[in-house]
Amino acid sequence: DTAVSQTPKYLVTQMGNDKSIKCEQNLGHDTMYWYKQDSKKFLKIMFSYNNKELIINETVPNRFSPKSPDKAHLNLHINSLELGDSAVYFCASSQDKGLAQETQYFGPGTRLLVL
Amino acid sequence: AQSVSQHNHHVILSEAASLELGCNYSYGGTVNLFWYVQYPGQHLQLLLKYFSGDPLVKGIKGFEAEFIKSKFSFNLRKPSVQWSDTAEYFCAVSSSFSGGYNKLIFGAGTRLAVHP
Repeated sequence: DTAVSQTPKYLVTQMGNDKSIKCEQNLGHDTMYWYKQDSKKFLKIMFSYNNKELIINETVPNRFSPKSPDKAHLNLHINSLELGDSAVYFCASSQDKGLAQETQYFGPGTRLLVL
Repeated sequence: AQSVSQHNHHVILSEAASLELGCNYSYGGTVNLFWYVQYPGQHLQLLLKYFSGDPLVKGIKGFEAEFIKSKFSFNLRKPSVQWSDTAEYFCAVSSSFSGGYNKLIFGAGTRLAVHP
C-alpha cells in the first residue's frame, strides 16, 4: 500500500497555465507538507497543514495556493505558471501536530516542467 | 536563520569502502537531526534520526550517525558500503517555532555512487 501518494508523477505545461498537484496519505496522519526541490536538489518547505489548518506558510508566491479538503489530502494549485516553477514537488506527512521530533514520510514527488 | 551544510556533493566509492558524509548545521538551540535517503527513482526515506540521549544513532541498513554538539555536526557513517547504497543522501534539521510546529530544513544532498 502506498503511504503518501502524489498525482501526477510528471507534469509538462506551458507558461501562464494553471495546474494542480494532488497528495493523499493513508497513514492517518494529522499533518501534511509541501516541499519544492529545485534543480540543485535543495529541498525547501513551502506549506504545512495540521488537520486542515495552515500552520507553516513560507515565503512562497501567492500564485501557489494549498488546499486541504480533509486531513488525508493536501493539494497544491499553481496559477500563472512561470519557468522558475519547474522543480520536483514533494508532499509529506507526519503523525501528530507536526512537532519537531516527528518523522516526515514523503511521497514520490511530482516533476513539473514549465515550457 | 537555520541552515544545513553538506560538504560533499558527490562521492564515489568502491564496494566495501568506508563511508562518511559530513553534515553541519547552524543553530544554537535544541535541534532534531535526520538523515534521509533517496534511491534512484524512489521517494525520500528516513535512515535515522536523533532527538536526545546517546549521540551515536544507529539506523537502517547498517548506517549510523554521531551528533557532536560542540561541532554542530551530524555525520553519517557506514563501515562497508554496497552497490545498493548508491543514492542521494540528505541531512535535515528541525526546530520548533511559535506554536511548537516542525520546520524541517534540508541540506543540498550528497550523491553517492558505489562501484562494484
